[in-house]
Amino acid sequence: SQTIHQWPATLVQPVGSPLSLECTVEGTSNPNLYWYRQAAGRGLQLLFYSVGIGQISSEVPQNLSASRPQDRQFILSSKKLLLSDSGFYLCAWSAENTEAFFGQGTRLTVV
Amino acid sequence: GESVGLHLPTLSVQEGDNSIINCAYSNSASDYFIWYKQESGKGPQFIIDIRSNMDKRQGQRVTVLLNKTVKHLSLQIAATQPGDSAVYFCAELRAGGTSYGKLTFGQGTILTVHP
Repeated sequence: SQTIHQWPATLVQPVGSPLSLECTVEGTSNPNLYWYRQAAGRGLQLLFYSVGIGQISSEVPQNLSASRPQDRQFILSSKKLLLSDSGFYLCAWSAENTEAFFGQGTRLTVV
Repeated sequence: GESVGLHLPTLSVQEGDNSIINCAYSNSASDYFIWYKQESGKGPQFIIDIRSNMDKRQGQRVTVLLNKTVKHLSLQIAATQPGDSAVYFCAELRAGGTSYGKLTFGQGTILTVHP
């Protein structure tokens, strides 16, 4: 069966520090991969999605970047965090044209 | 989209009532629609889906209706239970074109079920 791993679960980082959130999927090949951010009590904002290695679509210009170094690995990064980067970050995967399955999320607090 | 920054609308129902949660989607080119349930502090969980060539689909206690003419999606929950209390999101997927694979979420609705 397929599983998705996202870590860490919580993270507190100072303003200006770098960020690296990792997401890996097991049990499937060539998944679509997604990064979302959710502010408290708000909806899910699509940040990046990837339909294959080396293919990253950026949805919202901002202080973040994404990479897909391997087929089932999706990394969200920032060189210098801002206070506004705080939020709940969710990684998800899907097979072609099917529902997406989500990781447990990373709650990031920038202080 | 822009709605992700807004406070979520709420729906309060009594246990045993039927609930209807509505969603307006933005792109007529979307091919596939999904309803998710999100409990506090967790990632969204799949409830039910519907393809654009259908207008109704039923699951266990849930029904999704799709009206492509007005780009409207609804989720009906029968005999709502306290365990149904959560935030419900609709999502739309582009299955083709330049935005192939793009999965975007609607605003979300907070459902509260009172015993």
